[in-house]
Amino acid sequence: QSALTQPASVSGSPGQSITISCTGTSSDVGGYNYVSWYQQHPGKAPKLMIYDVSNRPSGVSNRFSGSKSGNTASLTISGLQAEDEADYYCSSYTSSSTLGFGGGTKLTVL
Amino acid sequence: QVQLVQSGSELKKPGASVKVSCKASGYTFTSYAMNWVRQAPGQGLEWMGWINTNTGNPTYAQGFTGRFVFSLDTSVSTAYLQISSLKAEDTAVYYCARVGVGRSFDYWGQGTLVTVSS
Repeated sequence: QSALTQPASVSGSPGQSITISCTGTSSDVGGYNYVSWYQQHPGKAPKLMIYDVSNRPSGVSNRFSGSKSGNTASLTISGLQAEDEADYYCSSYTSSSTLGFGGGTKLTVL
Repeated sequence: QVQLVQSGSELKKPGASVKVSCKASGYTFTSYAMNWVRQAPGQGLEWMGWINTNTGNPTYAQGFTGRFVFSLDTSVSTAYLQISSLKAEDTAVYYCARVGVGRSFDYWGQGTLVTVSS
């Protein structure tokens, strides 16, 4: 069982916006601004998309944005494109000095 | 450019051991901690723990103590994951990942598939 809760799947049409939630507790998501988001295409290694809740690494499209409210973090993808179809995982630092991942969300671009 | 290159796929019998390597290049190896992440077939990512590349001190996540060992050879900028007494449920892709800003994993190895089967 994952430490962080994500929806199993989300979908959207090209050009639309979608949001993926990541719910934890005050001991992880709510207690630290160390939430990251990863994109994983089938058979590939994960790729960092967002770090420290809302920061984008160099080279990541500005269509990807992150936010947090209380114990829930969110990843929003605007202007959906076919290449965005992938699995997305959130991660958070915890009060036990560990790291936890969400169970993952499969994004389907209709 | 930063690269983490892992060793190739392994097929092992139950009870055997395996050692996965992760060779870093393009940065100062001892300046960034290295983590290990497991992904069982069709499953999500699971954090296994990390190793301080300065001191060699490992920290293991719950569920990864006893049979799992993280080690280093700083002379060749390489981190290792050794798993002993392999079980069928250890079948997974194992990733090394460098810790960047804010405890995020900014660079990942390509993954090593370890298959445990008789």
